[in-house]
Amino acid sequence: KQEVTQIPAALSVPEGENLVLNCSFTDSAIYNLQWFRQDPGKGLTSLLLIQSSQREQTSGRLNASLDKSSGRSTLYIAASQPGDSATYLCAAFPDQGGKLIFGQGTELSVKP
Amino acid sequence: ETGVTQSPTHLIKTRGQQVTLRCSSQSGHNTVSWYQQALGQGPQFIFQYYREEENGRGNFPPRFSGLQFPNYSSELNVNALELDDSALYLCASSFGGGRARATEAFFGQGTRLTVV
Repeated sequence: KQEVTQIPAALSVPEGENLVLNCSFTDSAIYNLQWFRQDPGKGLTSLLLIQSSQREQTSGRLNASLDKSSGRSTLYIAASQPGDSATYLCAAFPDQGGKLIFGQGTELSVKP
Repeated sequence: ETGVTQSPTHLIKTRGQQVTLRCSSQSGHNTVSWYQQALGQGPQFIFQYYREEENGRGNFPPRFSGLQFPNYSSELNVNALELDDSALYLCASSFGGGRARATEAFFGQGTRLTVV
């Protein structure tokens, strides 16, 4: 059974700092991995999708990597801004049908 | 291209009642999945619909049921509401499902259900 874990549960950093959010999964047989952002009480906004054949994806200040052999993915945020404050969730596609298994999320706070 | 829309945005129901939540999938998508997110937790998979048929179900009781329509929109029905059903219900659409590799999932803004 696939399980996804995110560490830390919460993170507070000063503005401008580069940071890394971690995601681990127990079963390396995943198809894709997706990172989301969630603002309080809102839905999920897709940030990056890494397909199983890829090792990383980049979008602006965000870079996500995937290492299936070690069961790990990281989301790197460069030059953090207060507007980046939100909960970040990673989710694994354990099979090709597209059902997502989510981690608990990392709540990020970027202080001005 | 329209995004995923859910209705209503907020809902208050009494224990024992029934509720229907609605979701319009993104243009070009044929698969809809529903998730329940309790406060402070990650979303939990309820079920998925692909081509109007249920295509996988999570660990939820039968009083959680759904439908998908020919235009790929979907409904989530919950009977005999319990206090623990209070949560944010999220709908996600994607292309694929069944035997096809799914593409990126896009979520709606969610429906906040409160059961009193």
